[in-house]
Amino acid sequence: DIQMTQSPSSLSASVGDKVTITCQASQDISDFLNWYQQKPGKAPKLLIFEASNLEVGVSSRFSGSGSGTHFILTINSLQPDDSATYFCQQFENLPFSFGPGTKVEIK
Amino acid sequence: VQLVQSGVAVKKPGESLKISCKASGYTFANYWIAWVRQMPGSGLEWMGIIAPRDSDTRYGPSFQGQVTISVDKSLTTAYLQWDTLKASDTAMYYCARPRSELGVDGFDIWGQGTVVTVSS
Repeated sequence: DIQMTQSPSSLSASVGDKVTITCQASQDISDFLNWYQQKPGKAPKLLIFEASNLEVGVSSRFSGSGSGTHFILTINSLQPDDSATYFCQQFENLPFSFGPGTKVEIK
Repeated sequence: VQLVQSGVAVKKPGESLKISCKASGYTFANYWIAWVRQMPGSGLEWMGIIAPRDSDTRYGPSFQGQVTISVDKSLTTAYLQWDTLKASDTAMYYCARPRSELGVDGFDIWGQGTVVTVSS
């Protein structure tokens, strides 16, 4: 099975800051990588699919990059509504494993 | 397009349970449906996925033999079933559908989640 790791596990940043979250896969997954945002008590929301494609309706402040084993989610101009936990997910091989999550808090 | 899940379930260890995920607004047979577990205070765990058109089902290794995923195409509903619940099955369970017809990529449609509590 492919193992996914994320760093940091949590971060605190100010409104307007640029935030980057890293996701690493245990083997090459090409660009078969998704990013989700989850708020407490809510279902995950797809932000980015196939590593760098912005889902319809998602703010352009979110962007994704990377391929192979190393991926980055960038949030530009952090807003209060971005307070959430962010998960990456690979879909190169079953099971489509998730990273452990990165909790983003607003200072 | 939506997935609507069954309500809160409170059960005792050893009991059986079947929760549901009702799909509407799209051609049910053409999209895989996945199940994801989230234990209290924890991350997302991939349980398995089923193709409604032929019931081709793939389980995550931690869940193989522990749960059964099925569909009823006539009801456009997917199911997640336990024969013998354990306290460790206490969690929120989500169903989800991928963006692409007849393929798998990002999961853009999610059910609202079903809380399962197993306690004596």
